[in-house]
Amino acid sequence: GAGVSQSPRYKVTKRGQDVALRCDPISGHVSLYWYRQALGQGPEFLTYFNYEAQQDKSGLPNDRFSAERPEGSISTLTIQRTEQRDSAMYRCASSKQENTGELFFGEGSRLTVL
Amino acid sequence: RKEVEQDPGPFNVPEGATVAFNCTYSNSASQSFFWYRQDCRKEPKLLMSVYSSGNEDGRFTAQLNRASQYISLLIRDSKLSDSATYLCVVGGSSASKIIFGSGTRLSIRP
Repeated sequence: GAGVSQSPRYKVTKRGQDVALRCDPISGHVSLYWYRQALGQGPEFLTYFNYEAQQDKSGLPNDRFSAERPEGSISTLTIQRTEQRDSAMYRCASSKQENTGELFFGEGSRLTVL
Repeated sequence: RKEVEQDPGPFNVPEGATVAFNCTYSNSASQSFFWYRQDCRKEPKLLMSVYSSGNEDGRFTAQLNRASQYISLLIRDSKLSDSATYLCVVGGSSASKIIFGSGTRLSIRP
């Protein structure tokens, strides 16, 4: 498709399970960002990539969270040993050039940890 | 202190009114500034960039005050369709993250 694609759209998991959220950016977009958004709040920065290089991961809450973008296109955000507090909307965005604020967001992945 | 702070609102104004939002940012090295709009249950979308000289796009005017580290958005002749959450967004220089404020909710009533 033409836009940013995220999967799964909805994920319900039990506490302690690992989850992987996938983001397929717009073709040719250089930068890819991951955000987490709670209800009524703005997107909270997690990490971002330029091409395959992870530029900043300062927003990842703890070492249970990791992200990769091995070929500079599709990215995966992995949460290990999920906890209830991880429940949120996880949003991916891409941009055509490095360090431009024109981000194109996907529809998000809604994670619910029971 | 949050890196980007906004009044959460909600702002509830009649159709046709003028409404203004402000946003402050903490990092004086920030280089790029934007306003995004987010409709309920949808993803954020870029509304406009904010330039040092100020800029206008139809009914929307954005301004930047670097000395005071704040950004503003003015909406004139508001429409029902302007009801949304407006997100203030700040980026640094090259190789830096892009930070979103918590958003200001706007509701336009007939």
